[in-house]
Amino acid sequence: DGGITQSPKYLFRKEGQNVTLSCEQNLNHDAMYWYQQDPGQGLRLIYYSQIVNDFQKGDIAEGYSVSREKKESFPLTVTSAQKNPTAFYLCASSPLKALMNTEAFFGQGTRLTVV
Amino acid sequence: QKEVEQDPGPLSVPEGAIVSLNCTYSNSAFQYFMWYRQYSRKGPELLMYTYSSGNKEDGRFTAQVDKSSKYISLFIRDSQPSDSATYLCAMTNSGGYNKLIFGAGTRLAVHP
Repeated sequence: DGGITQSPKYLFRKEGQNVTLSCEQNLNHDAMYWYQQDPGQGLRLIYYSQIVNDFQKGDIAEGYSVSREKKESFPLTVTSAQKNPTAFYLCASSPLKALMNTEAFFGQGTRLTVV
Repeated sequence: QKEVEQDPGPLSVPEGAIVSLNCTYSNSAFQYFMWYRQYSRKGPELLMYTYSSGNKEDGRFTAQVDKSSKYISLFIRDSQPSDSATYLCAMTNSGGYNKLIFGAGTRLAVHP
């Protein structure tokens, strides 16, 4: 089955620690995205990538980093510089020149908690 | 002021009721309007999409856009317990999911 796989489902981070969230897709989509979701805040764009080896900052990129070495993979690293990372993280993908009637597929999310 | 405002609810209705979910926005340049449904601890899935003003119907769901009032709605007829979820509106002035602005989401509970 085609889709997006995020792992792990739950992740705990200690103070000062970097953690990496995995996102893999087998939809052959060029574009991939990372969103943060907080209760009452909707989804906010962290980073996006439209092509391998290229990515752009979204609205809340500070304290996060990404890489896009393969078309299928777009991991997100939450660095120690991100002071309040407790949230639900969603990865999505879409065709590169996606019109709005082309669906972006979302993964099932990773719940990150700072302990 | 947020670009997109959405009442977070929760909204609780009996099975069979007509549900009205709404968003208001401030950017008159928005042209693409979407509604996503998100079940608990899952990723959002696209429910409805409309371009510019007007109505769009899909089964029990109707999406309305009133650009003059900067107001969009999603109506659910004959609501079912399986409709219980969070509904997110999203919009943009240009193509591309990197430009989507999401509402906060409205939590809906349909009880038998």
